[in-house]
Amino acid sequence: KQEVTQIPAALSVPEGENLVLNCSFTDSAIYNLQWFRQDPGKGLTSLLLIQSSQREQTSGRLNASLDKSSGRSTLYIAASQPGDSATYLCAVYNAGGTSYGKLTFGQGTILTVHP
Amino acid sequence: NAGVTQTPKFRVLKTGQSMTLLCAQDMNHEYMYWYRQDPGMGLRLIHYSVGEGTTAKGEVPDGYNVSRLKKQNFLLGLESAAPSQTSVYFCASARLAGVSDTQYFGPGTRLTVL
Repeated sequence: KQEVTQIPAALSVPEGENLVLNCSFTDSAIYNLQWFRQDPGKGLTSLLLIQSSQREQTSGRLNASLDKSSGRSTLYIAASQPGDSATYLCAVYNAGGTSYGKLTFGQGTILTVHP
Repeated sequence: NAGVTQTPKFRVLKTGQSMTLLCAQDMNHEYMYWYRQDPGMGLRLIHYSVGEGTTAKGEVPDGYNVSRLKKQNFLLGLESAAPSQTSVYFCASARLAGVSDTQYFGPGTRLTVL
């Protein structure tokens, strides 16, 4: 059974800092790995999708990497802003076993960027 | 193009009452999913469907039933609500399960069972 773990559970940083969120997964049989953002009381917004054959994806100040063989991904946020404050969720789209065709989510990292 | 919509947005039930949550998507997606989100537990899959007329159990299916009579709709039913079903429920849809596919999420339904 696929398991996804995110570290740290919460992070508080001053505005302008560069930061890294970590995600690890136990089963490398995945189609892709995705990072989502969730604002309080809202739904999920997809930030980046890395296909299983890719190493990284970039969107603006966000960069996500994937090392499928070691079961790790990182989300790098450059020059953080208060508007980046949210919960960040990592999820893998499973390609095999009993989890085929399903997303498995980590528990999320709660990010607070203070002015 | 509304994407994924959920009805209702909020609901309060008494223990033992029943209700149905409706999810609708206008993207002609094959796959649809129901999740629940609880503090400290992340999102957990309740039931899912890989096409019209199909349903399958997810990680936490007990106490819930689903139906996918039309491709664009996925209904989640609670036959006899329990306080343990207090949660935020999210519906999602996806074109297929492939390397470039992602799931699109609805805004959620906040359910309280007293």
